[in-house]
Amino acid sequence: NIVMTQSPKSMSISVGDRVTMNCKASQNVYNNIAWYQQKPGQSPKLLIYYASNRYNGVPDRFTGSGYGTDFTLTINSVQAEDAAFYYCQRIYNSPYTFGAGTKLELK
Amino acid sequence: EVQLVESGGGLVQPGRSLKLSCAASGFTFSNYGMAWVCQAPTKGLEWVASISTGGGNTYYRDSVKGRFTISRDNAKNTLYLQMDSLRSEDTATYYCASVRYNSFAYWGQGTLVTVSS
Repeated sequence: NIVMTQSPKSMSISVGDRVTMNCKASQNVYNNIAWYQQKPGQSPKLLIYYASNRYNGVPDRFTGSGYGTDFTLTINSVQAEDAAFYYCQRIYNSPYTFGAGTKLELK
Repeated sequence: EVQLVESGGGLVQPGRSLKLSCAASGFTFSNYGMAWVCQAPTKGLEWVASISTGGGNTYYRDSVKGRFTISRDNAKNTLYLQMDSLRSEDTATYYCASVRYNSFAYWGQGTLVTVSS
């Protein structure tokens, strides 16, 4: 089964900074990656599908990129409300494995 | 407005069964694939099972194959997860989600399942 490895596990960023987090698949998954945001006590929310497509209503400071095995979620000009866990997920083919997540904290 | 409301969680002894439900509204339920995702306390997300629009195709993570059954009733706009032979490691919040663009676009608020004697 494909393993999704996210890095870093956590990061502490100041408001206004640019942040990049990574997701690496153990095999080629083409562009079949989604990104989710989960805030404490809330359900996850879809941010990006097919690696680079922003879902409805997602602010344009969120950008997904990558293809094959290496993927990136970038947040430009981080806002206080972006403090959350971020998960990548292999989509399109089962098993729909999630990465372990990256925790984004604000300084 | 899309709404997914899970129910059926609770405290159950190891080896026993539980059936979760997810009531959908605000969209044409029968047109969309559905899924269950779980999250153990303080842990990350784990995909559990998925089902196609008509229910003819189902998919499971290895650790629940043969123990869990995903199903749907399109006439009742409801998704189910039958959980048998429960183990302590199944303790988690279980979310239902609807599929758009092969991704989990809408999520319910979750229902907590605790497996303990």
